[in-house]
Amino acid sequence: QVQLIQSGSELRNPGASVRVSCKASEYTFTNYPINWVRQAPGQGLEWMGWLNTKTGDPTYAQGFVGRFVFSSDASVTSAYLEINDLKPEDTAIYYCAGAALATGGAFEVWGQGTMLTVSS
Amino acid sequence: SDDLTQPPSVSVSPGQTARITCSGDVLTKQYVYWYQKKSGQAPVLVMYKDTERPSEIPDRFSGSSSGTTVTLTISGVQTEDEADYFCQSPDSSMNSVLFGGGTRLSVL
Repeated sequence: QVQLIQSGSELRNPGASVRVSCKASEYTFTNYPINWVRQAPGQGLEWMGWLNTKTGDPTYAQGFVGRFVFSSDASVTSAYLEINDLKPEDTAIYYCAGAALATGGAFEVWGQGTMLTVSS
Repeated sequence: SDDLTQPPSVSVSPGQTARITCSGDVLTKQYVYWYQKKSGQAPVLVMYKDTERPSEIPDRFSGSSSGTTVTLTISGVQTEDEADYFCQSPDSSMNSVLFGGGTRLSVL
């Protein structure tokens, strides 16, 4: 089964940018639409949107339009989340999750999470 | 409305049965997916399409659906089941994904 490996923790100042990577362990990367989910401290899971890894087309959830950018590079089986103009409220753990058609689109495979701290 | 409602907490003793509900009007049209989230770990899928269990999940986990409520049942709860459980569903338009607020299962 594919595994998703995310980049490590990040600390940024407000106003800066960050890019989180999510690397799939197998070449079947394009078989798994990649979703991005975040969990702020003490909060629940929040869906940010998803990336069609076949076409590279992103879909953003309400509240994640503008400063958030999903992208991918199939040649290195990786998806990316870029957040611009960071705000303290962006402090959270960010997860990538692969959805599988066989389970009706369930988020079957998750990255280990990337902790982002935004603080001056 | 396209909201998913879960009880904030459920407490059971080891060996008892825990039932965690997820309610929402959208659930008459869409399937629910359940995730177990332990502190410091990534979520794990424990149930999909209301009642289907991934092969690696113990059979003490089961799911059921009735109207606007879907229930995750854990029979013979073990201490290792202590975690937050989140339900998830597509919204009614299939353009977005909803998460319930999560239920903390305490095994006392």
